[in-house]
This record gives sequence, structure tokens and C-alpha cells, in this order.
Amino acid sequence: AQTVTQSQPEMSVQEAETVTLSCTYDTSESDYYLFWYKQPPSRQMILVIRQEAYKQQNATENRFSVNFQKAAKSFSLKISDSQLGDAAMYFCPRGCFGNEKLTFGTGTRLTIIP
Amino acid sequence: KAGVTQTPRYLIKTRGQQVTLSCSPISGHRSVSWYQQTPGQGLQFLFEYFSETQRNKGNFPGRFSGRQFSNSRSEMNVSTLELGDSALYLCASSRGQGFNEQYFGPGTRLTVT
Repeated sequence: AQTVTQSQPEMSVQEAETVTLSCTYDTSESDYYLFWYKQPPSRQMILVIRQEAYKQQNATENRFSVNFQKAAKSFSLKISDSQLGDAAMYFCPRGCFGNEKLTFGTGTRLTIIP
Repeated sequence: KAGVTQTPRYLIKTRGQQVTLSCSPISGHRSVSWYQQTPGQGLQFLFEYFSETQRNKGNFPGRFSGRQFSNSRSEMNVSTLELGDSALYLCASSRGQGFNEQYFGPGTRLTVT
């Protein structure tokens, strides 16, 4: 089975500090996409950032950046200057080109300490 | 641009009943996917519809079905409800061109008693 693994069930970070969430995946596909979504207590799933596997450059979106290591099948999310609003469950689903299905991991619950 | 909307937001049903959930995608999006989220199984893909056709299906029993209308709105139906069907059902829409960038609705919380 092609899986996504998030080995950190819970993480916490002091407000304004930096935190990195880990994600590894398994795939036999050559063309795929990786995403980070956040799901705050409201349960609305929000897209944070995306990475195309064919791109070597790591994606960045304001305070959010990824470290994509294709050979290691690793895809971590770095959140800089953490804010209270960043508190949420974070998921890193994988998708394959031509197929809208996203495969999710179990998520990491991020707590921001004021 | 309006986001993905789902109705109803909350639903309580009894075992054996059936239920229909509705999803309206973002304007211009032709693909609608459905996911089930439970504490035990996490987020699992149910199915995806594109241009009124089911294009992909997850590993769920036949009690779970769906359809898509010409305006891209989608419904999913669960027949003969079981206690284990209690979950948050999330709908996501995308342009359907295979780039997977999906936008999720707020979900429908289904409780089966």
C-alpha cells in the first residue's frame, strides 16, 4: 500500500518560535504532488502549501516552507514565527497526477504556547 | 469566490436509515471528492466525480454511493446506516485536471444512534 506516515502525533512550540513537522511517504509513481493541509478546531481543512515532485526547488508560502527530499521520500513543513492561529491538526497528503485522490497520514496536532 | 459548501452541517440518524449529504463545489470546479474522517481510521477517500462520472473509488462497501449533477454539485448517499458510519464527511472540489489541489468544505457531522 502506498502510505503517508506522520510520526509525530503531537508537537508544541512557543509563540514566535520555529517548528518543523515531519512527513514521509511511499509511492511507486514518478509524477506526484505533496501537500500540507491544516485542520483547526473548526474542522475546515485548509490548504497550506503544495509541492510538485518534479520540482527540485522547495515550496515557500509566507511563514511556511517545505524541505522536500525526493530520494528519501521525506516532506517536512517548517513554520516560522509561529502564531496562535497556527494551532491545528496538520496533514501531509500525497496525490498522483491524473488522479484527484489524496492519501492522508494520521496527522500531527500542533499546539502553540503563548 | 464562494468556497465549498456542504449541507447539512450536522445530522443524527438511526441505525438502518439512509442519509443523503450534499456538496456544492467552488464555481468552475468540475471535480468533487468525498472523504470520511473518523478518530480510528483517519481520513479515507470515498470517491471522486468529474463531469457527472465516477472517476475513482475508495475501498468502501456498496452502501456508500454518490452522484454528480450537471452543475457539478454532488450528493453522497449512505444506505442501511451502521454505528460505524458516524463520522465527519468532507467534500473537496478541484478543477479536476489532475493536479490534486483540492479545496475542502466545512464537513457534515453524521451521528448514527
